[in-house]
Amino acid sequence: QSALTQPPSASGSPGQSVTISCTGTSSDVGGYNYVSWYQQHPGKAPKLMIYEVSKRPSGVPDRFSGSKSGNTASLTVSGLQAEDEADYYCSSYAGSTVVFGGGTKLTVL
Amino acid sequence: EVQLVESGGGLVQPGRSLRLSCAASGFTFDDYAMHWVRQAPGKGLEWVSGISWNSGSIGYADSVKGRFTISRDNAKNSLYLQMNSLRAEDTALYYCAKDGSDFPSAAAGLDYWGQGTLVTVSS
Repeated sequence: QSALTQPPSASGSPGQSVTISCTGTSSDVGGYNYVSWYQQHPGKAPKLMIYEVSKRPSGVPDRFSGSKSGNTASLTVSGLQAEDEADYYCSSYAGSTVVFGGGTKLTVL
Repeated sequence: EVQLVESGGGLVQPGRSLRLSCAASGFTFDDYAMHWVRQAPGKGLEWVSGISWNSGSIGYADSVKGRFTISRDNAKNSLYLQMNSLRAEDTALYYCAKDGSDFPSAAAGLDYWGQGTLVTVSS
């Protein structure tokens, strides 16, 4: 049960796009289309942004999109806004368990 | 409105036990799997355990296997985490989270989270 690998930080200017990667193995990310992404603002509970690799829950702006290729999943935030500044975590089903990434701090410059 | 309210956290000595509870409301509790996820101070999220709608499927992180036990009482709309042989590294904010499906794979994501209950393990 190793954590998924995410870059510790990412940044972009308002209006730009930024992509956060999440690398696992064939036992988790590569083996299932069950990757989710969560946004967490300081002092708040996580919020589901993407599930099943690329699906958005109701209420999540379509500026947020997800994809996967092999053992690596990605979250893209387009048209960056100040309120997108937060920590982002990926997670994947790993066959009887769930594993999270280490998190990426997204800074809007 | 979906609400998840955790309770039971506190300061406990290493080696002792603690039982966390999560009271759920605003949805049909026994239709969904549930999870416990923790976050150590200043650190990332760590999945702890998940349980299916009927308790028939349960999973644990290696870090807590054999020490923690997840359970649920659908009649009381409640989720529990019995934590034994607590260690300093178990110190964290423990979140209760609802799965979007009835199997604890988080396939449909963890779509609702509580505000967490803080567990501090220290002598």
